[in-house]
Amino acid sequence: DAGVIQSPRHEVTEMGQEVTLRCKLISGHNSLFWYRQTMMRGLELLIYFNNNVPIDDSGMPEDRFSAKMPNASFSTLKIQPSEPRDSAVYFCASSPGDRAPGYTFGSGTRLTVV
Amino acid sequence: KQEVTQIPAALSVPEGENLVLNCSFTDSAIYNLQWFRQDPGKGLTSLLLIQSSQREQTSGRLNASLDKSSGRSTLYIAASQPGDSATYLCAVREHNQGGKLIFGQGTELSVKP
Repeated sequence: DAGVIQSPRHEVTEMGQEVTLRCKLISGHNSLFWYRQTMMRGLELLIYFNNNVPIDDSGMPEDRFSAKMPNASFSTLKIQPSEPRDSAVYFCASSPGDRAPGYTFGSGTRLTVV
Repeated sequence: KQEVTQIPAALSVPEGENLVLNCSFTDSAIYNLQWFRQDPGKGLTSLLLIQSSQREQTSGRLNASLDKSSGRSTLYIAASQPGDSATYLCAVREHNQGGKLIFGQGTELSVKP
């Protein structure tokens, strides 16, 4: 299994542009999590899905952020319009179920908004 | 609101030393606790998971303990090696919060040859 695959690995964009981050889950995993990591705030959960349904989006910072899971194996996190304070590393993780152990993280997308 | 704290923030030791990393959490109503390792520029790798009913877990040179009543966990690394250099994060999963993990800020470990 190739693990959780995120793309792109690095993204540099100008303020105001739309950014789309992508994540492919491990086959058979039912839960998908988006985290953001910054020096100031550490790792924070943005949103998670269980069986394609958003369960907890309380960590999504504002309406500029949106996440979708169009099918069981793929998710996108979109920021529109992007701002410099969105610069961070965004991680996607999946697990066999929202109560199952075995969290697997992707390698992350380093986003820089200039 | 659950808060997870890790002490120390950074640690530098000579190769071969045994060391302890500390993690504390404010609400003892947890489902489980995990220790992760993060290498620079990489994702997180799960090291050990302790269910709330367990006291400790071991994997090779790593031993993690959990004292839920006092809100503490420790990660013990025996005979440290330069390859152990990384940031170590602990995270708790709470009851009734689904799969959400709450992370500490991490301990950056450097093992000198």
